Amino acid sequence: GAVVSQHPSWVICKSGTSVKIECRSLDFQATTMFWYRQFPKQSLMLMATSNEGSKATYEQGVEKDKFLINHASLTLSTLTVTSAHPEDSSFYICSANREGPDTQYFGPGTRLTVL
Amino acid sequence: AQSVAQPEDQVNVAEGNPLTVKCTYSVSGNPYLFWYVQYPNRGLQFLLKYITGDNLVKGSYGFEAEFNKSQTSFYLKKPSALVSDSALYFCAVRDGGKLIFGQGTELSVKP
Repeated sequence: GAVVSQHPSWVICKSGTSVKIECRSLDFQATTMFWYRQFPKQSLMLMATSNEGSKATYEQGVEKDKFLINHASLTLSTLTVTSAHPEDSSFYICSANREGPDTQYFGPGTRLTVL
Repeated sequence: AQSVAQPEDQVNVAEGNPLTVKCTYSVSGNPYLFWYVQYPNRGLQFLLKYITGDNLVKGSYGFEAEFNKSQTSFYLKKPSALVSDSALYFCAVRDGGKLIFGQGTELSVKP
């Protein structure tokens, strides 16, 4: 089946630093990838839709200057949390579309802890 | 806007018993509905989807879901629960090119 990977799986950083999270589709090309944020025992909140070769579409309330998304190739999207603060600590999950919007494959997630 | 609701935060079932996880939806037009499962500290795994056709949808790991248009519901079911089914389950609806998730239901299956 289709595989989506994320790197790193967990990261701890100091407040004020920036952190980059990679999302890769390993065995298929994904023109669209999605970034979600999840708090403990809560639902996934869609942050943005990442389209290859164009600017990401951010959901209402998500700061685009805070969460930079780049989708430079058909197999890689990156999320950079800039000037991270403790409230940015969360579980970040990406997903990628294959064969249309009804087949979305999820990465294993990245646990970000900001001290 | 499309939305789904999962009225139960937690469902407890004894191993071997049937399980049901509830989901109701609110959509304009025809609903495209999904169920996903999440194990601790992991991403989501696709279980099944309803697009059109039979109201009973078969999915992965022995799960199935029943679509009921009159009750606007999409219940996830399994005839005989396993301890390994214990996880967080999400119902989702397609909204354009993206998925909108319910709040999640934690399923606990005890031996």
